[in-house]
Amino acid sequence: QQQVKQSPQSLIVQKGGISIINCAYENTAFDYFPWYQQFPGKGPALLIAIRPDVSEKKEGRFTISFNKSAKQFSLHIMDSQPGDSATYFCAASLYSGNTGKLIFGQGTTLQVKP
Amino acid sequence: EPEVTQTPSHQVTQMGQEVILRCVPISNHLYFYWYRQILGQKVEFLVSFYNNEISEKSEIFDDQFSVERPDGSNFTLKIRSTKLEDSAMYFCATETGRWFFGPGTRLTVL
Repeated sequence: QQQVKQSPQSLIVQKGGISIINCAYENTAFDYFPWYQQFPGKGPALLIAIRPDVSEKKEGRFTISFNKSAKQFSLHIMDSQPGDSATYFCAASLYSGNTGKLIFGQGTTLQVKP
Repeated sequence: EPEVTQTPSHQVTQMGQEVILRCVPISNHLYFYWYRQILGQKVEFLVSFYNNEISEKSEIFDDQFSVERPDGSNFTLKIRSTKLEDSAMYFCATETGRWFFGPGTRLTVL
């Protein structure tokens, strides 16, 4: 199964709150789990990424929590700001031969209210 | 940080016409990709390219699609006979363990 399931589809958070987005996967061959932020009309920009040998990674206000046994990972945005309003995609990479590919989740539209 | 660039930013074409989308990958990167995003949907893998040949392609990448690295710097995606359902954002990407995406080309097929 090459799907990555993402939830919720949309999220509204007050400024200063915590935004939490969840993803689940089936394929244990996935070996790299990035999160991308996308603003309207722009390409996906890498926010933070984790490999399955680590359970948590923090970069500034952004944290990935990774649960290998449950095949789940989540993005936490602390102290959410209106500038964080964007669409967030989780993804997982799968390698076959020389190249890999990213399998994206469905996306979460985050709105941070002032 | 080095960037992937894409041209044009927006392409409007008539159904049945051929289009070529262009990408300039990050210098010295060897692995190239095209992804597609239909409006409001997730980003989907189309094709990967390494050493001047396709490594993998998705079910979307049918005979109407082709890729080429014509001059050692550009990486192109050609759609031979566009269909309405080809309307989407097309993203070029390069990869060195992490993926770098270009800003995309919005393709509108009328």
